[in-house]
Amino acid sequence: SAVISQKPSRDICQRGTSLTIQCQVDSQVTMMFWYRQQPGQSLTLIATANQGSEATYESGFVIDKFPISRPNLTFSTLTVSNMSPEDSSIYLCSVFESDTEAFFGQGTRLTVV
Amino acid sequence: GEDVEQSLFLSVREGDSSVINCTYTDSSSTYLYWYKQEPGAGLQLLTYIFSNMDMKQDQRLTVLLNKKDKHLSLRIADTQTGDSAIYFCAESYLNSGNTPLVFGKGTRLSVIA
Repeated sequence: SAVISQKPSRDICQRGTSLTIQCQVDSQVTMMFWYRQQPGQSLTLIATANQGSEATYESGFVIDKFPISRPNLTFSTLTVSNMSPEDSSIYLCSVFESDTEAFFGQGTRLTVV
Repeated sequence: GEDVEQSLFLSVREGDSSVINCTYTDSSSTYLYWYKQEPGAGLQLLTYIFSNMDMKQDQRLTVLLNKKDKHLSLRIADTQTGDSAIYFCAESYLNSGNTPLVFGKGTRLSVIA
């Protein structure tokens, strides 16, 4: 299975600041997906990151708030900008292996105070 | 649109079987997944089933799919305390791979010793 490393694993941030989350995969993948899991909730897709093109954002998520980089086929970053307490969530990246098996990183647990 | 429903809680005694149910609405779903999330951890892919299958068994796990009723279940035989976690049902709804998953809200399984 794909090995996905996310950093940081957790952070406590002041409101108004930004945090960049890194996702490193041990193999080359076409697409990387970023999800948000709010406390006690399910996973919601934020955006799909394709190498060499702009990320595609889901309804309710915008690039100014969640800029994404995808510099190569094994790495992506998600930035949570100008944070407020409502951004406190677990953020997870995901990739597919063999087009059918979707694997997730361990997540970044963000608390905004 | 896609919608995945799960009951929120399930409590079983150690050694009994657990059955976690899921219903989905999109008949074009191609793969259906079960993930396990332990406290403070990311999502672990347990198993998945292709939509043209009725059943898949993997050690203590049995997945049953009723495509007519759009109903998916995960049976865990001989449930152990280590099985206590949140279980998410998810679907992919396009025929090509590498599409993001749609998740249910998760079923919290509590195993009583």
